[in-house]
Amino acid sequence: NAGVTQTPKFQVLKTGQSMTLQCAQDMNHEYMSWYRQDPGMGLRLIHYSVGAGITDQGEVPNGYNVSRSTTEDFPLRLLSAAPSQTSVYFCASSSFANEQFFGPGTRLTVL
Amino acid sequence: RKEVEQDPGPFNVPEGATVAFNCTYSNSASQSFFWYRQDCRKEPKLLMSVYSSGNEDGRFTAQLNRASQYISLLIRDSKLSDSATYLCVALYYGGSQGNLIFGKGTKLSVKP
Repeated sequence: NAGVTQTPKFQVLKTGQSMTLQCAQDMNHEYMSWYRQDPGMGLRLIHYSVGAGITDQGEVPNGYNVSRSTTEDFPLRLLSAAPSQTSVYFCASSSFANEQFFGPGTRLTVL
Repeated sequence: RKEVEQDPGPFNVPEGATVAFNCTYSNSASQSFFWYRQDCRKEPKLLMSVYSSGNEDGRFTAQLNRASQYISLLIRDSKLSDSATYLCVALYYGGSQGNLIFGKGTKLSVKP
């Protein structure tokens, strides 16, 4: 099993550009989520999904969209990138109330 | 806002030392607790769950005190490979889903 995979590993965007961060898991987990990690801020939940077709907002959802058309995939879209979105983004998956498995992260810089 | 607070450190200890990390949480409805380990520029990985009765896994011991809303992690006989950031995590149920609240992490550096 590959676990949780994320692409790209690194990305540089200009302000106003849009892009999609990809996340996939092969563990048949119902629950998937996106976090951002900033220095001194810890991990903060952006959006999450409890199953295909169901998504909800986390703590810091503004500027991001998600969709969950399949159990395996949970892409995160940046609609119009801003420098404040410079961060490390982690995707995670789990069965309910169990260990969350994280992907390797995407390091995003917005100029 | 539901908070998990940790001492950010860094904790600089020699090999073989015993080190303890503490964590407090503000939401008394939190159901479960975990310690995650995060190496530099890597993703967090589960170190251990924390049970009310306390639990031990080799050199690592986790304790939970619900009355004081306090969690601890004890590492005995520290190894160089224990150097990492340790994240305290609380699981709470908002609506019908469980969500994890992460502390900002405590950095540990074990020196030869």
